[in-house]
Amino acid sequence: GEDVEQSLFLSVREGDSSVINCTYTDSSSTYLYWYKQEPGAGLQLLTYIFSNMDMKQDQRLTVLLNKKDKHLSLRIADTQTGDSAIYFCAGIGTASKLTFGTGTRLQVTL
Amino acid sequence: GAVVSQHPSRVICKSGTSVKIECRSLDFQATTMFWYRQFPKQSLMLMATSNEGSKATYEQGVEKDKFLINHASLTLSTLTVTSAHPEDSSFYICSATSGLAGGETQYFGPGTRLLVL
Repeated sequence: GEDVEQSLFLSVREGDSSVINCTYTDSSSTYLYWYKQEPGAGLQLLTYIFSNMDMKQDQRLTVLLNKKDKHLSLRIADTQTGDSAIYFCAGIGTASKLTFGTGTRLQVTL
Repeated sequence: GAVVSQHPSRVICKSGTSVKIECRSLDFQATTMFWYRQFPKQSLMLMATSNEGSKATYEQGVEKDKFLINHASLTLSTLTVTSAHPEDSSFYICSATSGLAGGETQYFGPGTRLLVL
């Protein structure tokens, strides 16, 4: 099966940019996703990128995809305290099943 | 658009009882719904894939007689934890695919926290 790895923790100061990284082993995913999970809540879809794209920008969010290195990143510009959460990357596989990364806890400090 | 709800949001039950969790797509028809389980500080583990009008497909290691899934309509799937035990305590999350932008994009419910005493 696919392995999707993320760093466990990231701390940034309010107003700075955050970059959350994700590496994966299966390159057949047609879409790659970023989800946000706040404490005790479900997952909120933040953005997704089609596998034939290198970059996608959506307001404060920028997704970069390096297919050669099997590396996906999410950049959050002007990080706010409300961005504190756990962020999961995920790839879509057979039968539309998602494989999630291990999750990165983003802490935003004042 | 693409809102998924779950009910209840939190449930406490005694060991040996059964608990039903509902997952609804509120503003779209979901041909496929997924049920996940999440332990504290861990990622989501897929339990089963539910297609409307057919039997659910369970992941390896998930007991189908323990976790009964019914997908009776295009907007409702239910997960019943039968004869619940303390080790079944967890956060259960459902998702649904909408066929909207991103084709296979899954939209998640808010989750149900189950505590079995």
